[in-house]
Amino acid sequence: AQTVTQSQPEMSVQEAETVTLSCTYDTSENNYYLFWYKQPPSRQMILVIRQEAYKQQNATENRFSVNFQKAAKSFSLKISDSQLGDTAMYFCAFMIMNRDDKIIFGKGTRLHILP
Amino acid sequence: EAGVVQSPRYKIIEKKQPVAFWCNPISGHNTLYWYLQNLGQGPELLIRYENEEAVDDSQLPKDRFSAERLKGVDSTLKIQPAELGDSAVYLCASSLDSGRFHGELFFGEGSRLTVL
Repeated sequence: AQTVTQSQPEMSVQEAETVTLSCTYDTSENNYYLFWYKQPPSRQMILVIRQEAYKQQNATENRFSVNFQKAAKSFSLKISDSQLGDTAMYFCAFMIMNRDDKIIFGKGTRLHILP
Repeated sequence: EAGVVQSPRYKIIEKKQPVAFWCNPISGHNTLYWYLQNLGQGPELLIRYENEEAVDDSQLPKDRFSAERLKGVDSTLKIQPAELGDSAVYLCASSLDSGRFHGELFFGEGSRLTVL
């Protein structure tokens, strides 16, 4: 069975600083996706960034980037130049490619960006 | 373009009462999901529809939970009777169908249920 672990329940960082959220996962599969989803307070959850396991290059979306370490089964999210609007719950998630389209979410990290 | 719409946003009921949640997915999204999100936890899949067919309902507690998506568009999730432990946020999401789906779910704002 696949599992996703986020070991940081809560984090705080000053505005404009860089913050890294950790995620580890466990799977015996070779082809899969990893995701970071963001859930702002009282708003919809949205996809922040996606990484295909077969790609060696780390995904980047503007201020958001990942550090994907396949052998270590680690998938961290780095937010650069953090903004107040980055305050949210962040969920790491996993899905096996071409299987059952089932996404497994971690328990989340609550991130506070302080003014 | 309208996003995923859910109602009601908040519902407070007494235990043993029934409750229903409604979801309208993004137009053109054939796949619809209901997730359960307990406080401080990540979403857990309850049921997934491809059009009107429930293709994965293995995590749906069928003794008290039911869902339907009769015309392959909007969907209703029902709990009858509700228990204290059902207090949670019920999230609806939609996506492109399998084959074009690469993990991007579009979520609604959720329906927060409180059972007293």
